[in-house]
Amino acid sequence: AQSVTQLGSHVSVSEGALVLLRCNYSSSVPPYLFWYVQYPNQGLQLLLKYTSAATLVKGINGFEAEFKKSETSFHLTKPSAHMSDAAEYFCAVSPGANDYKLSFGAGTTVTVRA
Amino acid sequence: KAGVTQTPRYLIKTRGQQVTLSCSPISGHRSVSWYQQTPGQGLQFLFEYFSETQRNKGNFPGRFSGRQFSNSRSEMNVSTLELGDSALYLCASSTGLAGYNEQFFGPGTRLTVL
Repeated sequence: AQSVTQLGSHVSVSEGALVLLRCNYSSSVPPYLFWYVQYPNQGLQLLLKYTSAATLVKGINGFEAEFKKSETSFHLTKPSAHMSDAAEYFCAVSPGANDYKLSFGAGTTVTVRA
Repeated sequence: KAGVTQTPRYLIKTRGQQVTLSCSPISGHRSVSWYQQTPGQGLQFLFEYFSETQRNKGNFPGRFSGRQFSNSRSEMNVSTLELGDSALYLCASSTGLAGYNEQFFGPGTRLTVL
């Protein structure tokens, strides 16, 4: 079964500093990978997705992620954190084109210090 | 384009009761998925419907059921509520044509079981 592991349940960064959220996946076939963000009392919003077109994926709000097959990783980064980036972030995997369920990681809460 | 809407947003029930949650997908989307979010178990897939047919089902007891109508609106039902059913229930819609299609999430229904 496909799954994702997010390293670090809580990350604290200073405003303007690099944001790095780690996600590793396990999959017997090339997966489809996603990063979602959840603000308090809201649903999930897609930041970006990997569907094998390019290993470096750019998303919304200045986020990007790099798919590394050799490391089975899909880490999310943002060069300069903003206060509005404070939220919970989820990495998710969809095993294949004909599988329509998402398996989510446990989530990483990001706190941004002024 | 209107987003995914879920009703009600908040619900309080007592053990043993049953509850029905509703989800209206984005216009044109034929796939609706349901997820349960709890602090302990995180985000877990419940089931997915496409054109009124259940295509995928997660590992939940039979007390959890759902259906989809011809207009793609979906309902999920939980019978004989238990304290552990307290959670945020998220609905997501997509075109449903491939596993890598973006799922758009609603704001969720927060269910509290007393």
